[in-house]
Amino acid sequence: SAVISQKPSRDICQRGTSLTIQCQVDSQVTMMFWYRQQPGQSLTLIATANQGSEATYESGFVIDKFPISRPNLTFSTLTVSNMSPEDSSIYLCSVVMPGNTIYFGEGSWLTVV
Amino acid sequence: DAKTTQPPSMDCAEGRAANLPCNHSTISGNEYVYWYRQIHSQGPQYIIHGLKNNETNEMASLIITEDRKSSTLILPHATLRDTAVYYCIVRVVNSDDMRFGAGTRLTVKP
Repeated sequence: SAVISQKPSRDICQRGTSLTIQCQVDSQVTMMFWYRQQPGQSLTLIATANQGSEATYESGFVIDKFPISRPNLTFSTLTVSNMSPEDSSIYLCSVVMPGNTIYFGEGSWLTVV
Repeated sequence: DAKTTQPPSMDCAEGRAANLPCNHSTISGNEYVYWYRQIHSQGPQYIIHGLKNNETNEMASLIITEDRKSSTLILPHATLRDTAVYYCIVRVVNSDDMRFGAGTRLTVKP
């Protein structure tokens, strides 16, 4: 298994500001993913963040709004820029471990007011 | 779009087996079936995955039909703590394509 730590676990932010969410893994991983889960909804893939390359974004998500960094094999950040109340969601990172098992962090609960 | 279809909700009596079905009729030969669950306010928890053979671990069993178009997750002795949303996902190994559907909300009742 993997231990995946996300920070912050919760935050309340003012509209128009930006927040950076950190994801730290206790082992080196190649593939990392960022998901969004809006209230009462399922998870939606935002982007894939592989070390050494630009993040690949899914349809409906753009780099200007959700810039991602992947500086090494154990860490990634997702920034939610210029936030609006519609960005209130749980943001989750996940990693692919040997054996192709995918593990998730506990999520970062973001409320925009 | 998700490649799987699941019933939106199910109930199960505590101590009984919970059998959660999943339809993945368009699955490809190189796609695995994964199961996760999400207990309220927590991140999704990995349960089990398989390609074509039935799989069992300490949490559950995964039964995949011979044509691989459907599968069933079995929780042998459901407890109240198994109440969660269960997601069935198909994914090509080493791909970035892992898409969640709506899942099944399992409620275990005393």
